[in-house]
Amino acid sequence: NAGVTQTPKFQVLKTGQSMTLQCAQDMNHNSMYWYRQDPGMGLRLIYYSASEGTTDKGEVPNGYNVSRLNKREFSLRLESAAPSQTSVYFCASSFGQGLRSNQPQHFGDGTRLSIL
Amino acid sequence: GDSVTQMEGPVTLSEEAFLTINCTYTATGYPSLFWYVQYPGEGLQLLLKATKADDKGSNKGFEATYRKETTSFHLEKGSVQVSDSAVYFCALTISNFGNEKLTFGTGTRLTIIP
Repeated sequence: NAGVTQTPKFQVLKTGQSMTLQCAQDMNHNSMYWYRQDPGMGLRLIYYSASEGTTDKGEVPNGYNVSRLNKREFSLRLESAAPSQTSVYFCASSFGQGLRSNQPQHFGDGTRLSIL
Repeated sequence: GDSVTQMEGPVTLSEEAFLTINCTYTATGYPSLFWYVQYPGEGLQLLLKATKADDKGSNKGFEATYRKETTSFHLEKGSVQVSDSAVYFCALTISNFGNEKLTFGTGTRLTIIP
């Protein structure tokens, strides 16, 4: 019963390096989300994908790109990492598509990313 | 825009004490309301939810009632345990046919001492 799986769990990068965070869900959910969690700021939405083949910007998209590879997988890419992107990143999924609205999101365990 | 304001922490209580964590919201339309919990080193887990006014969500001894008149969704538990130590997030969503974006509060860290 894996749910939402994120890899890696920890990563340290140097400023300017690139990296892709991976996320996969096995619940047949339509919608997937990427958040960042910073002290005192709660979780902020970076990008989301309402369904396979679509992606949209959230609250803090600058410096990130995403790919909805298929229904299961939704990756987050940092093209040129900056110290301001040091954070804990969470992927989430939900049934979505308005068919069962108000369904909860299911979260992965997070990726702790440090940019030096 | 939509927003959630929750009680600032940290909150420290003794075991078996009564817990209240306040949460108020601002939203256009009719949101669904959630409480999520984050245990150390883990992702967020849904604790309870309420989808319409006067609904009461409950789970693991925690309760919260959707109060439209006061735009509130306060979390309560009658007798807390050490295992309840975690960060609690209040959140709302307004479903928009595939766009179920959550808006979170900043979180309240709860520590229960034996």
